[in-house]
Amino acid sequence: DAGVTQSPTHLIKTRGQQVTLRCSPISGHKSVSWYQQVLGQGPQFIFQYYEKEERGRGNFPDRFSARQFPNYSSELNVNALLLGDSALYLCASSLDSLNTQYFGPGTRLTVL
Amino acid sequence: AQRVTQPEKLLSVFKGAPVELKCNYSYSGSPELFWYVQYSRQRLQLLLRHISRESIKGFTADLNKGETSFHLKKPFAQEEDSAMYYCALSGKNRDDKIIFGKGTRLHILP
Repeated sequence: DAGVTQSPTHLIKTRGQQVTLRCSPISGHKSVSWYQQVLGQGPQFIFQYYEKEERGRGNFPDRFSARQFPNYSSELNVNALLLGDSALYLCASSLDSLNTQYFGPGTRLTVL
Repeated sequence: AQRVTQPEKLLSVFKGAPVELKCNYSYSGSPELFWYVQYSRQRLQLLLRHISRESIKGFTADLNKGETSFHLKKPFAQEEDSAMYYCALSGKNRDDKIIFGKGTRLHILP
């Protein structure tokens, strides 16, 4: 198993645009979480999904949304991008919402 | 408020010397505490969690509820321990989110 995979690896957008980030969990894992990591900070929780339902949401504006598909992969969408959205976006999967999380390599988003 | 504090951004230790990475937390209730590590050019990965009470790569961490601390310790540092270390906490309910500290970069000097 390749572990958690994320695409794209990096992305450059301009202010006001929209972006979709993708995550494929480890086979058999039903929970996916998304984190934002700004340079010099620890990962900050955005969303957790389990069995296609949202189980948790961090303190992010409504411009951030996500979903989980029947195959347990997930997408994170960010609308109306701001310069401050520039960050590394991490996806993590786990067997269920209480188990150890396994992280992907991240998608580096740069907003110009 | 739920919070994880790692007071040191950078910790430099000589090879063979003891290591202690500090972590203090604020949480109303009984949290689960974790240490995550990120080696150069690798993914963030779980190092240990307090409920396991195990030693991984020679590291241990004891939850001190009185001092609300979960310091990471290793008696003899090795060069391969150089990495970024994050302390994190979570509640024990399914819908509790994980909160990470800002991280400490451990630099092992030869």
